Amino acid sequence: GEDVEQSLFLSVREGDSSVINCTYTDSSSTYLYWYKQEPGAGLQLLTYIFSNMDMKQDQRLTVLLNKKDKHLSLRIADTQTGDSAIYFCAESRAGGSQGNLIFGKGTKLSVKP
Amino acid sequence: DVKVTQSSRYLVKRTGEKVFLECVQDMDHENMFWYRQDPGLGLRLIYFSYDVKMKEKGDIPEGYSVSREKKERFSLILESASTNQTSMYLCASSLGATGDEQYFGPGTRLTVT
Repeated sequence: GEDVEQSLFLSVREGDSSVINCTYTDSSSTYLYWYKQEPGAGLQLLTYIFSNMDMKQDQRLTVLLNKKDKHLSLRIADTQTGDSAIYFCAESRAGGSQGNLIFGKGTKLSVKP
Repeated sequence: DVKVTQSSRYLVKRTGEKVFLECVQDMDHENMFWYRQDPGLGLRLIYFSYDVKMKEKGDIPEGYSVSREKKERFSLILESASTNQTSMYLCASSLGATGDEQYFGPGTRLTVT
């Protein structure tokens, strides 16, 4: 069935790189997304990648997509304490009605000073 | 900027009460969604709507209903609140095409006692 898997926790030191990994199941997904949720807030779109791309870079963020393995990763360079949040991977839902996304359970990133 | 607002940030209700959660978006989006977020379970889709007066069940619709009388407003209704509906409720909207990014409201933390 449809599922998006990601590890629940990641801890890094300030200044290091963070890599958050995600696996998904639907090879027909058009877009894959990374959302960020800060404490007490809703989700904010961080970045996304179109399925025909392998990599997308946006300032400190790098998204890598391996379609063969259905693996998506988010790399945050020079991680700051303000990057502490929960990061959700999401894929477009197969079939069904438009616009549905399937979310992973979220990876809680803790950045230690 | 897209703005999605939810009527309350925090709500406390008693078991058996009828509860209304309101969501409004100001960008003329076609699709609107209601999720609940629980620790360790991530986001789970309750209901969504892709047009006025249209609704479809998500993954966990039991115990909930929805109403979309106007394009900008999507209401989630708990007919008879129960303690297992204590959760964070997140509303989202998207433009309309498949795979469109979703914009989230800040969330309503509902406690049912």
